[in-house]
Amino acid sequence: DAKTTQPTSMDCAEGRAANLPCNHSTISGNEYVYWYRQIHSQGPQYIIHGLKNNETNEMASLIITEDRKSSTLILPHATLRDTAVYYCIVSPTGTASKLTFGTGTRLQVTL
Amino acid sequence: ETGVTQSPTHLIKTRGQQVTLRCSSQSGHNTVSWYQQALGQGPQFIFQYYREEENGRGNFPPRFSGLQFPNYSSELNVNALELDDSALYLCASSLGAGGLLETQYFGPGTRLLVL
Repeated sequence: DAKTTQPTSMDCAEGRAANLPCNHSTISGNEYVYWYRQIHSQGPQYIIHGLKNNETNEMASLIITEDRKSSTLILPHATLRDTAVYYCIVSPTGTASKLTFGTGTRLQVTL
Repeated sequence: ETGVTQSPTHLIKTRGQQVTLRCSSQSGHNTVSWYQQALGQGPQFIFQYYREEENGRGNFPPRFSGLQFPNYSSELNVNALELDDSALYLCASSLGAGGLLETQYFGPGTRLLVL
């Protein structure tokens, strides 16, 4: 499976957009990009996933570069409740429920 | 709330003992996956059950075993506990084994401490 590289931590002011980058330069053609987050003392929560097109849902947007070697998760209007560890995971088709998470990015949203 | 519950919330065992952790999936979810999360690390996939049959296993030894029952409950059993087994154990349920049906819903986890 392709490995991912994420910044260890990021800060964002409440109300501003939070842009979380992820590098996955060794991604293969059949590998999806998944994003989860884990709020303190809770289990991970699914956010979004994509293959090569940009995706948007009620939680976030996922922007994948044309060469698919990196992606950005965008939380359009961050709130204090978005403070969490965000995980970017790359995994082949059919393994969306068999993921191995990295160490993620700790996002701190501040007033 | 994800509708996935786990018990117990915390557990202390000693090295060499055996432990059973329990998970109750969302009703109708045929797939349950178990993960181990060491302190400061992301969750690591242990194994998955689909309709009571093992459906994939991560890099964990055979002393980690599981069961899934028809009533959407499941168990993770760990024999011969080692100190490194201390971790948060998470279960996640999903509707099926493919595509959008694989979106996982995680429980809050069981924190196991091995002394």
